[in-house]
Amino acid sequence: DTAVSQTPKYLVTQMGNDKSIKCEQNLGHDTMYWYKQDSKKFLKIMFSYNNKELIINETVPNRFSPKSPDKAHLNLHINSLELGDSAVYFCASSQATGVGNEQFFGPGTRLTVL
Amino acid sequence: SQQGEEDPQALSIQEGENATMNCSYKTSINNLQWYRQNSGRGLVHLILIRSNEREKHSGRLRVTLDTSKKSSSLLITASRAADTASYFCATGQGAQKLVFGQGTRLTINP
Repeated sequence: DTAVSQTPKYLVTQMGNDKSIKCEQNLGHDTMYWYKQDSKKFLKIMFSYNNKELIINETVPNRFSPKSPDKAHLNLHINSLELGDSAVYFCASSQATGVGNEQFFGPGTRLTVL
Repeated sequence: SQQGEEDPQALSIQEGENATMNCSYKTSINNLQWYRQNSGRGLVHLILIRSNEREKHSGRLRVTLDTSKKSSSLLITASRAADTASYFCATGQGAQKLVFGQGTRLTINP
């Protein structure tokens, strides 16, 4: 059983398009995250939700909009894609908020914007 | 700003040798975590060490924490080919946000 799953695994699209990435966790966790990992492997937090409530919203362009329909799902919608959005996007979850909690990561979605 | 910074950026050793990776950070922390990332995969949690702990072991992993020097080290003993991966330290920025370093790319040569 996959703990944190993301779809799609690969996404290739043209500049200006709108795309979504879906994430689901079956761990019963309360908190979910979106991270962006660039080509130099820097991993940066984008958003965090706790029980469907947004708790972390980093300095991310408002073209990125997360949506949490329930605490097991956290989707990421990106409008008007730009070349600089090319990266690997990771979803993660933890039992609760707080930096003392172990985070469980999904396999990543490699987004390529042409 | 980058909270955790790993050193070295890349490390290549022979199978059976020990691998040591270091992490430095800038602000006070409650705990520090180490994660592993295999190529093309998500991160996997390895170990968490609290600020009042100096050393922690888990199997072939040994983590140390020196809060006076704001640094941590991860030692992998008797390395195996399967240990080839990138290793990241993560520290808390505030109460809720984990900040990751750039990682150390470890290659174990057979």
